[in-house]
Amino acid sequence: ILNVEQSPQSLHVQEGDSTNFTCSFPSSNFYALHWYRWETAKSPEALFVMTLNGDEKKKGRISATLNTKEGYSYLYIKGSQPEDSATYLCALFNTGNQFYFGTGTSLTVIP
Amino acid sequence: DAMVIQNPRYQVTQFGKPVTLSCSQTLNHNVMYWYQQKSSQAPKLLFHYYDKDFNNEADTPDNFQSRRPNTSFCFLDIRSPGLGDAAMYLCATSSGGSGTGELFFGEGSRLTVL
Repeated sequence: ILNVEQSPQSLHVQEGDSTNFTCSFPSSNFYALHWYRWETAKSPEALFVMTLNGDEKKKGRISATLNTKEGYSYLYIKGSQPEDSATYLCALFNTGNQFYFGTGTSLTVIP
Repeated sequence: DAMVIQNPRYQVTQFGKPVTLSCSQTLNHNVMYWYQQKSSQAPKLLFHYYDKDFNNEADTPDNFQSRRPNTSFCFLDIRSPGLGDAAMYLCATSSGGSGTGELFFGEGSRLTVL
């Protein structure tokens, strides 16, 4: 069992603000890190799959970076919109086909 | 169209009365996972199948069992639900291997134990 931590646990921002969250994980035996967005009453959906140290990925206003040597990933949202309100989960993949999740960051964007 | 379907979406059971949750997928993925998520906690991996190979997490209680009769279906059986088993149960699939394939989730089954 691998310990994956996310911070902050929850966040309220005004529409238009930019924000970021952190996912921390054990840096040894790294294979892959995933980010998912989970909206209420829906299923979690993949945002990014990251495998290489220094990876930066972008999807619209959302981007993520990865540092496997120090064991963290950041998720950034530029110009937050109300539809960005969701829980953002990160998950660490290990060699046993297991994904271990953090507790998530619950984002509320206030119009 | 939903590719991972969980049934039922909501399940109410009595203390000690067995429950079965189902998950089906149309993706033909090798790997199927069951997660338990309690309020404000991380989704906790209970077990996963790689094809027919069953992999139990060390801290998954014996009260939880699983079956995968074929590629498309996977079941979670809770033999004697306790109050502490009330949670959201998520099923997910992946193509397996290196971790570069994303997980596809169902919408979850929320279990209430009275």
